[in-house]
Amino acid sequence: GAGVSQSPSNKVTEKGKDVELRCDPISGHTALYWYRQSLGQGLEFLIYFQGNSAPDKSGLPSDRFSAERTGGSVSTLTIQRTQQEDSAVYLCASRVTGTMNTEAFFGQGTRLTVV
Amino acid sequence: SQQGEEDPQALSIQEGENATMNCSYKTSINNLQWYRQNSGRGLVHLILIRSNEREKHSGRLRVTLDTSKKSSSLLITASRAADTASYFCATDTMNRDDKIIFGKGTRLHILP
Repeated sequence: GAGVSQSPSNKVTEKGKDVELRCDPISGHTALYWYRQSLGQGLEFLIYFQGNSAPDKSGLPSDRFSAERTGGSVSTLTIQRTQQEDSAVYLCASRVTGTMNTEAFFGQGTRLTVV
Repeated sequence: SQQGEEDPQALSIQEGENATMNCSYKTSINNLQWYRQNSGRGLVHLILIRSNEREKHSGRLRVTLDTSKKSSSLLITASRAADTASYFCATDTMNRDDKIIFGKGTRLHILP
């Protein structure tokens, strides 16, 4: 596609339910990032995929959070047993790597509300 | 953990004035990037400055980088109402293999 696509745009879920957030990066972009942004705050790094390398999961806040990237393209961020503090906008970005100094392209995010 | 820290957290100026935002970071970097965010959704890339560059221009934007002080500034000249947004600096750190770390952002409000 022309840009990074995230779905759904908005998700309201009940506390304790599992949710899946999807990111479809720009074709050919080997690096994919997930960030979380709480209201009025900065971007909190969650996880980073680079090609076939093991993902950098150092930002995942708990073992309820997991992510995968199938076939080096689409990524899914899964939050199990959601809590109210998980409410935030989840942003995905992708970029070309292999050469330094490239910009990241962001999707429009998924606004997750846990009630 | 946050790498960049923007200053100020919020800034309100009159339309037509210049807006300056600062960013400080902690570790060695490959480059520093500035992004804009409207309405709390996707970020848009504004400008990238490499670690061996000191100043860069793009339209009404001017970015400086001082690696000795681990700081950068973003200047928006002749501000417009449409510049109202949040601005984030982001660092490509040398030790973290392409991981981009963002600061907390500056909320800029242009007054008519």
